[in-house]
Order: sequence, then C-alpha cells, then structure tokens
Amino acid sequence: AQTVTQSQPEMSVQEAETVTLSCTYDTSESNYYLFWYKQPPSRQMILVIRQEAYKQQNATENRFSVNFQKAAKSFSLKISDSQLGDTAMYFCAFIPYNQGGKLIFGQGTELSVKP
Amino acid sequence: GAVVSQHPSRVICKSGTSVKIECRSLDFQATTMFWYRQFPKQSLMLMATSNEGSKATYEQGVEKDKFLINHASLTLSTLTVTSAHPEDSSFYICSRLAGGADTQYFGPGTRLTVL
Repeated sequence: AQTVTQSQPEMSVQEAETVTLSCTYDTSESNYYLFWYKQPPSRQMILVIRQEAYKQQNATENRFSVNFQKAAKSFSLKISDSQLGDTAMYFCAFIPYNQGGKLIFGQGTELSVKP
Repeated sequence: GAVVSQHPSRVICKSGTSVKIECRSLDFQATTMFWYRQFPKQSLMLMATSNEGSKATYEQGVEKDKFLINHASLTLSTLTVTSAHPEDSSFYICSRLAGGADTQYFGPGTRLTVL
C-alpha cells in the first residue's frame, strides 16, 4: 500500500523563527513526485513546493525548502523566517509515475505562527 | 492567478434535492480532473477521477449513482450530488492534472450544506 505519514498533527512557531514539518511515505515505486501543499483558512489548496524523486538536489522556493531522503523515504519541509500568513494546514503528498496522476495525501499538520 | 475555478463557492439546499457543482480549468485543456471531499481538520479524500469523454472512475465506497460526474468538455467537469442528505454536507474540491500528469492544481472548493 502507498501511504504518507505526517506524525505532527499540530505545530506552532514564533514569527520569524524556523520550523520543520515531518513527512514519511511508503511506496514500492522508484519514480514519483513529492509535494507540500498549504491549505490556509480560506481552504484553497496551494502548491508550496514540488520535488522529483530522481533529483537528488533538494527543492527550494524562497523561504520554503525540503530535505528529501529517498532511501529513508522522508520528505520534510522547512519554513524559514515564519510569517503570520504561513498559518495553515500543510499536506505532504506524492504522485507515483504512470498511475494516472493520483495524489496520495498525508493526514496534514496544522501550523500556527504566533506573533 | 487561479487555474481552476469552482461554482458555486457555497450552497445550501434542502434534503432530497440535487445540487450541481462546476469545476472549470481556466488555463489548460484538462482531460483528467479529480473530485475530493474534505471534512473539517481532515485530509482530502479522493472521490473520483473525471475523464473527458468517458465515464468517471470512482474510488471504493463512493456511490456513483449518488455522486454523478460529467466531464463533457476539456475545460469543465461537474459533480451532481443527487437526493442530498445532511450527511452529504461537506467541502468539495476539484483539481486538474498538469500536462505531464505530475502535478495537481486545485479549485477553491465548494461548501455544501444540506438542511
């Protein structure tokens, strides 16, 4: 079975601090795409960052970066210089190659950024 | 800007009536779109894969006669909740697949309340 596990249901961080959200996944596929999506209170799902599994280099998008450890099947998200607008539910997910583009989602981590 | 729109954003209906939700791909001809359901504080649950010009593929446990999906054009998929009941009250989200089947982009969601 293909699964994603986010072991931190809730986290909080002070504004301007750094926080890391954990994600592990399980798949027998060797090729896949990994994602972090953000869902703020508006509930619009927003793509934060995307990683191709065959690339060893960790993806970065401004204040967001990942630590991708393929052998350990780990894909954590680091948010630097946290801002109040980062308060949201964060979902880790992946799409296996050649499976029609279906996303496998984790349970989510609710992040609160405190002033 | 937004690449997927949904209409309506909110709908309230009486038990026993049917409700149609539209999902439009604004920037891309999408042969594949997805429909999800989400309860508060929970992850997204895939209901079905909508394929242009053919029948939708439903996930196990989703009643296809209750949740009718039509994908008649490359930019529009519709979800009709037939004979809605209060337990159908939820947040419904659609997404479209990127051209390479490697990323999903989400609509803003529709909040359905059945009285």
